[in-house]
Amino acid sequence: DVQMTQSPYNLAASPGESVSINCKASKSISKYLAWYQQKPGKANKLLIYDESTLQSGIPSRFSGSGSGTDFTLTIRSLEPEDFGLYYCQQYDEYPPTFGAGTKLELK
Amino acid sequence: EVQLVETGGGLVLPGRSLKLSCVASGFTFNNYWMSWTRQPPGKGLEWVASITNSGGSAYYPDSVKGRFTISRDNAQNTLYLQMNSLRSEDTATYYCTRAPNWEPYFDYWGQGVMVTVSS
Repeated sequence: DVQMTQSPYNLAASPGESVSINCKASKSISKYLAWYQQKPGKANKLLIYDESTLQSGIPSRFSGSGSGTDFTLTIRSLEPEDFGLYYCQQYDEYPPTFGAGTKLELK
Repeated sequence: EVQLVETGGGLVLPGRSLKLSCVASGFTFNNYWMSWTRQPPGKGLEWVASITNSGGSAYYPDSVKGRFTISRDNAQNTLYLQMNSLRSEDTATYYCTRAPNWEPYFDYWGQGVMVTVSS
């Protein structure tokens, strides 16, 4: 199975700041990476797929980059609603696998 | 509006069975692959099963293969997960998810249903 390693595990930031979350695959997954946001009481939300394609309805302050084994989710000008958990997921091969998550907290 | 509503969770003894259901609305159900993904308490996400739009093929990780069966009723817009020989490590919130195409990433998620396997 492809192992996905996310970093950092925890991240504290203030509204208006920009942050980056990293995801490293144990082997090349080409562009087949997705990012999700998880918040209590809400359905998980797809943010990015195919490494950098923004899902419909997601604000442009979210962006994805990378390829092969190293990927980054960047959130520019943090809004209060952006705080929560973020997961990366590879779907280059079965089984699809997720990173352990990054908790983005208010500083 | 796409909606996925899971039911059927609860407390079950180790070794017993449980069947989850997910009713879909707001889209043409039989056009989409569907999946189940789970999350143990305080832990990360794990893919559990996927099924093609016709229901003709299904895919599982080794952790549930032979114990879990995903199925669907396209006439009733409903996805199922039959879970047999349950173990304590199957304790998790189970999410019904939609894949936008044949690739297994998920553009819509249900709110989830909790399954607890304990004596």
